[in-house]
Amino acid sequence: EDKVVQSPLSLVVHEGDTVTLNCSYEVTNFRSLLWYKQEKKAPTFLFMLTSSGIEKKSGRLSSILDKKELFSILNITATQTGDSAVYLCAVDHAGNNRKLIWGLGTSLAVNP
Amino acid sequence: DAMVIQNPRYQVTQFGKPVTLSCSQTLNHNVMYWYQQKSSQAPKLLFHYYDKDFNNEADTPDNFQSRRPNTSFCFLDIRSPGLGDAAMYLCATSKGGFFGGAGLPRAPQHFGDGTRLSIL
Repeated sequence: EDKVVQSPLSLVVHEGDTVTLNCSYEVTNFRSLLWYKQEKKAPTFLFMLTSSGIEKKSGRLSSILDKKELFSILNITATQTGDSAVYLCAVDHAGNNRKLIWGLGTSLAVNP
Repeated sequence: DAMVIQNPRYQVTQFGKPVTLSCSQTLNHNVMYWYQQKSSQAPKLLFHYYDKDFNNEADTPDNFQSRRPNTSFCFLDIRSPGLGDAAMYLCATSKGGFFGGAGLPRAPQHFGDGTRLSIL
């Protein structure tokens, strides 16, 4: 059965810390891996990763995919209280079905 | 700004009283999705439209219906809400087709702010 597993489930850090969030997957016919940030409302798209070893970067956030070992990491450097959110990982797979396989998310709390 | 807009942000309805949630988009995306998300859970896909083609998930209850009168709008109808239907309902859109051909990446989904539904 296809699955996406995120770790840790929750994390508490202080402002300025660097965090690494993990997403591993077992999905047949992989297309892409997506990272979303969810605060009190709907998920906001962060990155889509399709190729191994190519880092995607946006400000203090970066992400990379390892298609051989079947995982991705999301790094946040110099964390701020505004980074507090649930970070969701989802995998898209081949086929006409557009159903993403979602992880349960990592809840990140950044304390001042 | 181009975006996905859901109305209302909060909806309260009575047990068994039909309710309609709406979603509009200015992104001109041809795929629209409805998700249900309960607390501390991942979003659960209910159905999606690819242009006018409706695609229902096998485990979506018959109580949930959808309409897409045009490219910009999509509605979620809950015919007889039960207490278990209290959740956040998320609308998302994406460009259809593939970036480079079959088997290659599809465009990411972009979400609206959601409607939080409460059942009394």
